[in-house]
Amino acid sequence: AQKVTQAQTEISVVEKEDVTLDCVYETRDTTYYLFWYKQPPSGELVFLIRRNSFDEQNEISGRYSWNFQKSTSSFNFTITASQVVDSAVYFCALSENSGGSNYKLTFGKGTLLTVNP
Amino acid sequence: DTEVTQTPKHLVMGMTNKKSLKCEQHMGHRAMYWYKQKAKKPPELMFVYSYEKLSINESVPSRFSPECPNSSLLNLHLHALQPEDSALYLCASSPLPTGQGLSQPQHFGDGTRLSIL
Repeated sequence: AQKVTQAQTEISVVEKEDVTLDCVYETRDTTYYLFWYKQPPSGELVFLIRRNSFDEQNEISGRYSWNFQKSTSSFNFTITASQVVDSAVYFCALSENSGGSNYKLTFGKGTLLTVNP
Repeated sequence: DTEVTQTPKHLVMGMTNKKSLKCEQHMGHRAMYWYKQKAKKPPELMFVYSYEKLSINESVPSRFSPECPNSSLLNLHLHALQPEDSALYLCASSPLPTGQGLSQPQHFGDGTRLSIL
């Protein structure tokens, strides 16, 4: 069975601080995809990034950066110079084959990030 | 604005009522999903439709009945719900359900907040 662990339940920072959200996963698949989603209080899950199991390049998009390390099965997410608008629940997810040609996402429990002014 | 539209945004119903949740996307996606999300929990997959056919039912009680009238629409019919069914119901879509579906990010709607009295 596949598993995604987000050990940090809640994180609180002051605006402009950097913050890293941890994600550790378990899978027996050799081909898999990892995702990060943001869920603001409005409810919608917003797709942030996708990473496949063969691409360990780190990625930077504005204030966001992701560190994928296959050796430690981790896919961590860093927000640089955090802003109040970054306050949300962040989910890490693993795409798994659920039989035949079907697949589904396994979500971590999420990390609630609060950025205080 | 989200590209997956869900209606209504809020719904309050009694345990004997019959209601429907609606989801619409015009991105040409051929996979559509229903998730249930309780407070402070990750989304839980309920159903997956691939090319308008039900491909995954995560052992959901029969009081929830999904329907996919065409490639753009997904409904969830509700009947005789229980108080524990109160939750945020999220609809999502992705480009391909099979094969390459493993890598496709799912696009979520804002959800319907359902309260059962």
